[in-house]
Amino acid sequence: QQQVKQSPQSLIVQKGGISIINCAYENTAFDYFPWYQQFPGKGPALLIAIRPDVSEKKEGRFTISFNKSAKQFSLHIMDSQPGDSATYFCAASIAGNTPLVFGKGTRLSVIA
Amino acid sequence: DAEITQSPRHKITETGRQVTLACHQTWNHNNMFWYRQDLGHGLRLIHYSYGVQDTNKGEVSDGYSVSRSNTEDLPLTLESAASSQTSVYFCASSEIPQETQYFGPGTRLLVL
Repeated sequence: QQQVKQSPQSLIVQKGGISIINCAYENTAFDYFPWYQQFPGKGPALLIAIRPDVSEKKEGRFTISFNKSAKQFSLHIMDSQPGDSATYFCAASIAGNTPLVFGKGTRLSVIA
Repeated sequence: DAEITQSPRHKITETGRQVTLACHQTWNHNNMFWYRQDLGHGLRLIHYSYGVQDTNKGEVSDGYSVSRSNTEDLPLTLESAASSQTSVYFCASSEIPQETQYFGPGTRLLVL
């Protein structure tokens, strides 16, 4: 049972454009929504995270938008750069002793 | 600096052999996790541990085992390797079970 559905599977964006990756969830008990970034040959690393008490969180060129009623959250990468080319994973978890649940990932390629 | 390491980084083995993948962290985190990453499946949780002597099954635990005898290490054992276990394996640790996970560099395993 996939608890977090991520789309698209792959994405090609022109340099300077906006990259948008979406995730949807079913379990309304989820209360922590991180995004991880993974470069080829490396382990994933936390990029940015949000809790449902806010609708948006911004860190530099990266923004999470959160829609609690729609049970969706998305990652926006503004002014996308070739160095942003990586695989991005959304995830969700419930407070307490439960591990993160990951989406299947989106492979982003930013082309010049 | 604290870190999480995995060894070996690459491993080729034969079907039926027992294989152990090592994971060592110096974060002093109680929580440790093992994932496998396959194209189209994202990160799937194999086993996790919330402390010494504690182990829990994840989504894809069949054919795998872990043991936790100290805080720093969580070795993953494939009891009888199968070709379906060819994958990239990541170990991770966290201070709080459901929040930021720090991933190791991964072990690429090929079962022939």
